[in-house]
Amino acid sequence: AQKITQTQPGMFVQEKEAVTLDCTYDTSDQSYGLFWYKQPSSGEMIFLIYQGSYDEQNATEGRYSLNFQKARKSANLVISASQLGDSAMYFCAMRDEDGGTSYGKLTFGQGTILTVHP
Amino acid sequence: DVKVTQSSRYLVKRTGEKVFLECVQDMDHENMFWYRQDPGLGLRLIYFSYDVKMKEKGDIPEGYSVSREKKERFSLILESASTNQTSMYLCASSLYISGGDYGYTFGSGTRLTVV
Repeated sequence: AQKITQTQPGMFVQEKEAVTLDCTYDTSDQSYGLFWYKQPSSGEMIFLIYQGSYDEQNATEGRYSLNFQKARKSANLVISASQLGDSAMYFCAMRDEDGGTSYGKLTFGQGTILTVHP
Repeated sequence: DVKVTQSSRYLVKRTGEKVFLECVQDMDHENMFWYRQDPGLGLRLIYFSYDVKMKEKGDIPEGYSVSREKKERFSLILESASTNQTSMYLCASSLYISGGDYGYTFGSGTRLTVV
């Protein structure tokens, strides 16, 4: 079974600074994908970034980067130059990509609430 | 430009009522999912469906059932609502191809309160 752990219930960061949100995972699958989603107070879920387990380079999308350390089973999200609009709940998620009957379902972590101070 | 639509944003039901939560997607996705979101627990999978009339239990199916009679519609049913089913319910659909950032498209959620 897959498990995702986000150990930081809440994080605070000053505007324009960088912040790292932690995510560790546990799986016996050889091929898997890791995702980060943002959920503002409006409740919508916004896809941020994806990392495949066989990708050798860390994924980046604008101010978001995923610090993927396969041996440590960690997939931390780094947000550079934080903005007030980054205040939201952030979820790490994992998908089995070994084929079979996973049907692309995602397993989510508990979430981290990020607050950006002006 | 709405792609996954959940019929209600807020819902208040009484204990013991049968509750239907509806989800419709217009992207021709094969896979659809129902999650519930609770503080400190994240999103937990209730049921998912990979084809019309096909369904599988997720991690917390007790007290719930689902129906998928048409590809675009996936319904979550609370047979006899209880107060511990008060939660935010999120529907999602996906076009799953192994590898690649084919994640989910989510609906806007239904906040259900059972009194």
